[in-house]
Amino acid sequence: GENVEQHPSTLSVQEGDSAVIKCTYSDSASNYFPWYKQELGKRPQLIIDIRSNVGEKKDQRIAVTLNKTAKHFSLHITETQPEDSAVYFCAAGRDSGYSTLTFGKGTMLLVSP
Amino acid sequence: GAVVSQHPSWVICKSGTSVKIECRSLDFQATTMFWYRQFPKQSLMLMATSNEGSKATYEQGVEKDKFLINHASLTLSTLTVTSAHPEDSSFYICSAYLDRGNEQYFGPGTRLTVT
Repeated sequence: GENVEQHPSTLSVQEGDSAVIKCTYSDSASNYFPWYKQELGKRPQLIIDIRSNVGEKKDQRIAVTLNKTAKHFSLHITETQPEDSAVYFCAAGRDSGYSTLTFGKGTMLLVSP
Repeated sequence: GAVVSQHPSWVICKSGTSVKIECRSLDFQATTMFWYRQFPKQSLMLMATSNEGSKATYEQGVEKDKFLINHASLTLSTLTVTSAHPEDSSFYICSAYLDRGNEQYFGPGTRLTVT
């Protein structure tokens, strides 16, 4: 089955800095890679996703890059703000209807004012 | 659109009792829902895939007789934790696919504490 590794487990940055979270996956058949943000005690919220037919996707301060050859994808947050502080999860799955997702272990991002 | 609700949001029960958790898609139909378990400061671990009108598909290591899943309608899946023990205490989250995309929308979660 799929195995997703996520690094780092914690990341502390100053407000305004950039943050990068990296994930690798093992199943070459995976072609859908979402990122979720989870605040303490709340549900995971999809913030951005990428499919294997593109290498990069951007949405305002958030961008995701994908390298299918190397089987890794990354989340980039620019101009971080304290409200970006949360746990971020990457996931991998197949873009074929109702496939399951395998999640990384999560990265706790702390943005200090 | 794409709102998923769970009930209850938290529950405390005594060891040996059973607890039922409901997951509803409020504004869309979900033929497939997923049940996850999340321990504090840990990731989401998929427990099972709930399929409307058929048996759930359980992940390896998840006891199907202990975690009973029923997906009786297109908007409701239930997870029953039978004969609960303190080690079953966890955050249980469901999710559902919105048909027009591959995005999973999560419920708010149910915090189960077994004393």
